[in-house]
Amino acid sequence: GAGVSQTPSNKVTEKGKYVELRCDPISGHTALYWYRQSLGQGPEFLIYFQGTGAADDSGLPNDRFFAVRPEGSVSTLKIQRTERGDSAVYLCASSLNDGRNNEQFFGPGTRLTVL
Amino acid sequence: AQSVSQHNHHVILSEAASLELGCNYSYGGTVNLFWYVQYPGQHLQLLLKYFSGDPLVKGIKGFEAEFIKSKFSFNLRKPSVQWSDTAEYFCADQNYNQGGKLIFGQGTELSVKP
Repeated sequence: GAGVSQTPSNKVTEKGKYVELRCDPISGHTALYWYRQSLGQGPEFLIYFQGTGAADDSGLPNDRFFAVRPEGSVSTLKIQRTERGDSAVYLCASSLNDGRNNEQFFGPGTRLTVL
Repeated sequence: AQSVSQHNHHVILSEAASLELGCNYSYGGTVNLFWYVQYPGQHLQLLLKYFSGDPLVKGIKGFEAEFIKSKFSFNLRKPSVQWSDTAEYFCADQNYNQGGKLIFGQGTELSVKP
């Protein structure tokens, strides 16, 4: 596809459940970022991948959050034991090279609601 | 810590009015600055960016921004807004030394009355 895609677009789950959110970046983009956007706020950085490796995971709020990118393309953000405070829009972005001096292209996001 | 501040949370204008949205960044090192826009129901899109060179940057749809290093500012401007400019606008600074992650401001919601 031409842009970054994310699935599902909406996810409703119950407190304590496990969820996976998927991001398919633009073909050829080696840098991939996850952000979280709460209502009324700007996106907040979660994790950055360069190729297959997580180069910076300093934004992950706690050890319930984990992300992988096993083949250097598609990435999955995994949230264990979800809490109501995890409700937010999760955004994925991709970029050429190492991301610096390059535009990040954003996907439409996954809206996660934890009941 | 690196941060970005947007002073206006919600701006309401009539069509043809001029627009200026404030953005201040805190980091004094390598500066890469962006303005993104999010139209209702759509994803974030890049309006313009500044990496170096001419501090007056022109973007899409008639928007421009001026980088003023002495004021740590990167304000967004448009001389005459249209109803279709109704959207949320985000200023962002790039963390150059840590893989290029973006530090966003809290956003400014712009409502343009027809």
